[in-house]
Amino acid sequence: ETGVTQSPTHLIKTRGQQVTLRCSSQSGHNTVSWYQQALGQGPQFIFQYYREEENGRGNFPPRFSGLQFPNYSSELNVNALELDDSALYLCASSADSGSNNEQFFGPGTRLTVL
Amino acid sequence: LAKTTQPISMDSYEGQEVNITCSHNNIATNDYITWYQQFPSQGPRFIIHGYKTKVTNEVASLFIPADRKSSTLSLPRVSLSDTAVYYCLVGDTNQAGTALIFGKGTTLSVSS
Repeated sequence: ETGVTQSPTHLIKTRGQQVTLRCSSQSGHNTVSWYQQALGQGPQFIFQYYREEENGRGNFPPRFSGLQFPNYSSELNVNALELDDSALYLCASSADSGSNNEQFFGPGTRLTVL
Repeated sequence: LAKTTQPISMDSYEGQEVNITCSHNNIATNDYITWYQQFPSQGPRFIIHGYKTKVTNEVASLFIPADRKSSTLSLPRVSLSDTAVYYCLVGDTNQAGTALIFGKGTTLSVSS
């Protein structure tokens, strides 16, 4: 049991809509990273938040945005949804920022865009 | 961004040793190389990480040559439950921060 939870489990939206996905970090972790995983592909890094500040970003457009709260829980917001946004969205928490710390992943949110 | 390359798939039999190699360019000087395991409908799970030479834990070993342009995950005596997708992960640090780059994954199939 990793302690990282995500909500909702599944979500169906239509093109153009906006979506908010939520992640609760493992206790004691101050860093959260978000990934998009298309079917049959590896996770693609969206961004990382450390102590409420964005600490790194992958090749995703600005319509992908995030927040990290004082309790280190996090949100991923996606505006103007496109069909290609259909994927599993994973969050992972770690004890510190960067890439050298073990990440604990949640089970993911499956987003379907119609 | 940094890029990683792994074999798409590997087959093995129970009890054999499996070695999966990942090539990675542009890895940052101070960044570790990390390997994760993923089962269907689950998030990835940490296996092992290292900076250089050899690292061993209770489930795997990781070999990293001096130039750090590749790494090899070694799974001793695999079992059916090791059937999963294995990913290498490297960091790519620049002025904007650190991006975490997963490979495309190696699907390991273990047969009896």
